[in-house]
Amino acid sequence: QSVLTQPPSASGTPGQRVTISCSGSSSNIGSNYVYWYQQVPGTAPKLLMYRNNQRPSGVPDRFSGSKSGTSASLAISGLRSEDEADYYCAAWDDSLSGSWVFGGGTKLTVL
Amino acid sequence: EVQLVESGGGLVQPGGSLRLSCAASGFTFSSYEMNWVRQAPGKGLEWVSYITSGSTIYYADSVKGRFTISRDNAKNSLYLQMNSLRAEDTAVYYCARGGWDAWGQGTLVTVSS
Repeated sequence: QSVLTQPPSASGTPGQRVTISCSGSSSNIGSNYVYWYQQVPGTAPKLLMYRNNQRPSGVPDRFSGSKSGTSASLAISGLRSEDEADYYCAAWDDSLSGSWVFGGGTKLTVL
Repeated sequence: EVQLVESGGGLVQPGGSLRLSCAASGFTFSSYEMNWVRQAPGKGLEWVSYITSGSTIYYADSVKGRFTISRDNAKNSLYLQMNSLRAEDTAVYYCARGGWDAWGQGTLVTVSS
């Protein structure tokens, strides 16, 4: 049971826009930055979004992030076949002694 | 080029110990926080431990008291000493730079008799 809640799956056709949600609480998303990662099976995760909505160099502007209250979203527009991967959200959690918490991951299928 | 290379994984019996290493290059290692994250087969990412540049340390509850994170800035290296290993510790272990912008390729730890 992950602290951050993501839908297990999402799908879309090439060119479509898809959104992946990440729900948390006041101790994590509500008070800290959200990070998003893309992982192609068999490879290491790759940072996709940091500080809620900042794209690292090299990440296409088709990817965008947002945060509102205790939830965050990753949007992918102009969906491409190479976007098929697992996507994870994460945030620092201030409860107890502090920890990083991850979502359970969302498998994105490009139909 | 920023590079992180993990090593030290392998097969270990339940109750055994293993020490993972992460060799860093291409950046000023001593200035960065570092993390260990693991991924059990077919499962999602799980944060394990985090050490700041000043060596303040945090652990996930699942490994607290069994795992120890450390760093050697002179050797540009991060370590994870894993004791009292359990079957549920079986996973690919990744080291990742603070800010999450660089990850190693991972090293597989299998705990089985």
